Amino acid sequence: SYELTQPPSVSVSPGQTASITCSGDKLGNRYACWYQQKPGQSPVLVIYEDTKRPSGIPERFSGSNSGNTATLTISGTQAMDEADYYCQAWFSNTVLFGGGTKLTVL
Amino acid sequence: EVQLVESGGGLVKPGGSLRLSCAASGFTFSDAWMSWVRQAPGKGLEWVGRINTRSEGGTTGYAAPVKGRFSIARDDLKNMLYLQMNSLKTEDTALYYCTTRDPVRGVIGAFDIWGQGTMVTVSS
Repeated sequence: SYELTQPPSVSVSPGQTASITCSGDKLGNRYACWYQQKPGQSPVLVIYEDTKRPSGIPERFSGSNSGNTATLTISGTQAMDEADYYCQAWFSNTVLFGGGTKLTVL
Repeated sequence: EVQLVESGGGLVKPGGSLRLSCAASGFTFSDAWMSWVRQAPGKGLEWVGRINTRSEGGTTGYAAPVKGRFSIARDDLKNMLYLQMNSLKTEDTALYYCTTRDPVRGVIGAFDIWGQGTMVTVSS
């Protein structure tokens, strides 16, 4: 069965760039999106259609998707960006989420 | 204000049933594909299923772990989404979110509207 694979954790220093990957067979042929979830809160869409940011999402969030890997990049990472991040895509009329990546800003 | 509000969660014994509800407001509910997503305690997001619009036939689709046990329905007159859960198992314990994409913003393949979730605990 199809899977989206994310690293369980990523660490970054404040002000540096964080990259979170999401891997799946030919993922680049589909739209990928990303959600941010902070403890006790509902997920928030931060990137959709591979590269687009919803209104209100800071410009430091960007995305790419090519080949087998989608990537969420956070430039100039801030303490407030510490959260769990999930990738998501549609496959054969069903939705798949990656396992999630805990981003630690230290 | 665009809003989704889930209700109906609670404690149920294995093998039991529960119906969750989701009240939608602030957008044209009848134009929206609606989905349920769940999150077990301390775990990641898991898609449960979706229902298309009535104009598209109201077709449903489910994730393998719940297929045949869960069913999704909608009432466009009341702007309500439902999740009927039967033959519940302990592994169905999770926070259940109602989610969709805003038909006006029209993001493709993503969910930009989420409720706050309702907790379902399956335990004897």
